[in-house]
Amino acid sequence: EPEVTQTPSHQVTQMGQEVILRCVPISNHLYFYWYRQILGQKVEFLVSFYNNEISEKSEIFDDQFSVERPDGSNFTLKIRSTKLEDSAMYFCASSGQADAEAFFGQGTRLTVV
Amino acid sequence: ELKVEQNPLFLSMQEGKNYTIYCNYSTTSDRLYWYRQDPGKSLESLFVLLSNGAVKQEGRLMASLDTKARLSTLHITAAVHDLSATYFCAVDLNYGGSQGNLIFGKGTKLSVKP
Repeated sequence: EPEVTQTPSHQVTQMGQEVILRCVPISNHLYFYWYRQILGQKVEFLVSFYNNEISEKSEIFDDQFSVERPDGSNFTLKIRSTKLEDSAMYFCASSGQADAEAFFGQGTRLTVV
Repeated sequence: ELKVEQNPLFLSMQEGKNYTIYCNYSTTSDRLYWYRQDPGKSLESLFVLLSNGAVKQEGRLMASLDTKARLSTLHITAAVHDLSATYFCAVDLNYGGSQGNLIFGKGTKLSVKP
């Protein structure tokens, strides 16, 4: 069964460092998303991406964040200068149609120390 | 600002019992999703509800959507231990256009005890 895969599963980084979280969406999907979940809290939308550009982004997705689909298969989230409060589980998701459910990856746990 | 409220946030059930989780949202939308999350795991899609009056059932779970009341319910019938997980509802803010911003509720942590 096709699935969204994310790497790494766990990333520890020092405050101020750049991190890149990687995702391989389901191959025939066209819509891509990043969400985050701070430990014990609800899932929060970060950004959606369609047709090689950002469709929507939340207030969380400030200038420190960027997304890219560099090669037609990977979908990355970059945080330029990490802060302690960026520590969370980051989920990538993809969907095939605008009103279809999004399939989520296993997540990357980012710990900023 | 769209708010999505679930209740209860914590639910301890006995096996074999029935219960309903409620999801209220604050603005017009006709796309609502239910997800399940096991501890430390990802979000598993359970139901997609795309119109008023939509009802979907899978095993012991049944979800419904009333867009006029801005309410969705997830009904659990004859609960079993395997249903223990956190259940999230999510509302699509950008219905009618490209899908974008899913607003999640805080989740309902369900524990089914023998």
